[in-house]
Amino acid sequence: EVQLVESGGGLVQPGGSLRLSCAASGFTFNMHWMHWVRQVPGKGLVWVSRINEVGSDMMYADFAKGRFTISRDNAKNTLYLQMNSLRDEDTAVYYCSRDLGLWKLIDWGQGIPVTVSS
Amino acid sequence: QSALTQPASVSGSPGQSITISCTGSTSDVGGYKYVSWYQQHPGKAPKLIIFEVNNRPSGISDRFYGSKSGNTASLTISGLQAEDEADYYCNSYTNSRTGVFGSGTKVTVL
Repeated sequence: EVQLVESGGGLVQPGGSLRLSCAASGFTFNMHWMHWVRQVPGKGLVWVSRINEVGSDMMYADFAKGRFTISRDNAKNTLYLQMNSLRDEDTAVYYCSRDLGLWKLIDWGQGIPVTVSS
Repeated sequence: QSALTQPASVSGSPGQSITISCTGSTSDVGGYKYVSWYQQHPGKAPKLIIFEVNNRPSGISDRFYGSKSGNTASLTISGLQAEDEADYYCNSYTNSRTGVFGSGTKVTVL
């Protein structure tokens, strides 16, 4: 059974940093692209970032460029999202997702809330 | 990277068919076959129900049907059931090598 478990969320002040983790199991982690998607409660899904199988190619939504860094440790079957210079508008639930190939986000974690507030 | 345009809400009676549109541009929906649809029930993670415009993952009912014409993709749900009441989002690959979701559509079963 595929499992994606996010951790590392919480309350952070504006301008602060947070690193999210996504522990993966039940599939061969190093064979899949992985994504981060976020959702403000009551609002829509927003794509954040994706990384290729070996961690050599990363893409970001415009709002994440220069502030967020996606990475992975295939030895630990873990995906990360380093978020710096956080803003109030980054407050959301963050999901990690497994890509089955060609933008098929087939599996999702339960989501982890991030609150940016003073 | 503005969200793709979806109607805010669509409703139908049990047994009816409804269609949700997803409008983008030649830079995303119109330019690629990598359009997918996700169903999200309240408090739950999204679930992939359509990929590559008109393909269903294993286990997804054939009541869900996807299509595309030009810059607009569509999701049709036939034989509407109470369990179909949820939020639905389209997603497309873009010419910037990124992804973009639609604004989301709330489906209500009357």
